[in-house]
Amino acid sequence: QSVLTQPPSVSAAPGQEVTISCSGTSSNIGNNYVSWYQQLPGTAPKLLIYDNEKRPSEIPDRFSGSKSGTSATLGITGLQTGDEADYYCGTWHGGRRVFGTGTKVTVL
Amino acid sequence: QVQLVESGGGVVQPGRSLTLSCAASGFIFGHYAMHWVRQAPGKGLEWVAVIAYDGSNIYYPDSVKGRFTISRANFRNTLYLQMNSLRPEDTAVYYCAREEYGEYYFDNWGQGTLVTVSS
Repeated sequence: QSVLTQPPSVSAAPGQEVTISCSGTSSNIGNNYVSWYQQLPGTAPKLLIYDNEKRPSEIPDRFSGSKSGTSATLGITGLQTGDEADYYCGTWHGGRRVFGTGTKVTVL
Repeated sequence: QVQLVESGGGVVQPGRSLTLSCAASGFIFGHYAMHWVRQAPGKGLEWVAVIAYDGSNIYYPDSVKGRFTISRANFRNTLYLQMNSLRPEDTAVYYCAREEYGEYYFDNWGQGTLVTVSS
């Protein structure tokens, strides 16, 4: 039921960089802000990025967000083993909220 | 600190009903829109319902519309989700999440409560 498409998985070695794409349409991402959530194994999701590119104060600047047209991107630099998690993008349309399909990040 | 604590999950037979609760503390509950989000075992996140800070606006996705009802009691700092005509595909961990008025992201989540629909 997800209307936002993400790659199922990405991986990189410690210290490297990964990017996760989130593809939508003009009805959702194209006209609204995007947020990103990190879900560590066995835990609840946690807000990582909001309003396309803003970070809550407790989130390190290794995490970044951007948006262009109907797509958004999450970047993680200086990859750490603790970053192994599922990542979801989210936005809204007509009062309803939608999530991406989710991407599993693996640190090799 | 902000706390959201869900309760009410359990095992229920198909076609039966269940009501979930989410107790909020550490913030002015009546100032925030509240959501329910679920996650089936091994699957991604699915948004389930939203209720405005004052209960004036409510939305659902088609998958639960007509079966689920979200409500809130601001004087009790509590959010509810009444789930009727439950189906096996409603089996999931149900999270409540907070959204600041005028914003469109979930800035705090509860730990979740598991609902299993099975005969």
